[in-house]
Amino acid sequence: KQEVTQIPAALSVPEGENLVLNCSFTDSAIYNLQWFRQDPGKGLTSLLLIQSSQREQTSGRLNASLDKSSGRSTLYIAASQPGDSATYLCAVSPTGANSKLTFGKGITLSVRP
Amino acid sequence: NAGVMQNPRHLVRRRGQEARLRCSPMKGHSHVYWYRQLPEEGLKFMVYLQKENIIDESGMPKERFSAEFPKEGPSILRIQQVVRGDSAAYFCASSLGQRGTEAFFGQGTRLTVV
Repeated sequence: KQEVTQIPAALSVPEGENLVLNCSFTDSAIYNLQWFRQDPGKGLTSLLLIQSSQREQTSGRLNASLDKSSGRSTLYIAASQPGDSATYLCAVSPTGANSKLTFGKGITLSVRP
Repeated sequence: NAGVMQNPRHLVRRRGQEARLRCSPMKGHSHVYWYRQLPEEGLKFMVYLQKENIIDESGMPKERFSAEFPKEGPSILRIQQVVRGDSAAYFCASSLGQRGTEAFFGQGTRLTVV
């Protein structure tokens, strides 16, 4: 059974800091990995999707890497801003017939002005 | 192109009543997934549907919960005889294809059972 872990559960950093959010998963047989952002009381916004054959994806100040063999992914946020404060969720989809996602519990990020 | 639309956004039900949650996928998407987010827990998969078919319901509770995605109209998640433990945020996601395509999520329906 796939398990996704995100540690720590919460993180507080000063504005401008570069930071790394970690995600680990127990079963390396994944089809892809997605990072999402969730604001309080809101839905999920997809940030980056990495296919299992890829090593990383970049979008603006965000860079996500994937090491499938070791079961790890990182989300790098450059020059953090208060507007980046949110919960960041990592999710993996299995190989096989459908794309149901297994989520971590998320990391709640607070960027202090 | 509107995103995934869920309604209602907030739903309050008394214990024993029925809750019906609706999800309209993104235009052109025929794959729908329902997830539940309990307080202090991560999102958990419930059910995966295509038009008129339930593909995977391995995450659905055995009793009181059902889902459908008819040929016409939105997908419906139905909870009969709600209990306090059903209070949660229910999210719907849609995707274009089957394997590995990006999932887009709705804003969720927050169900409160009083």
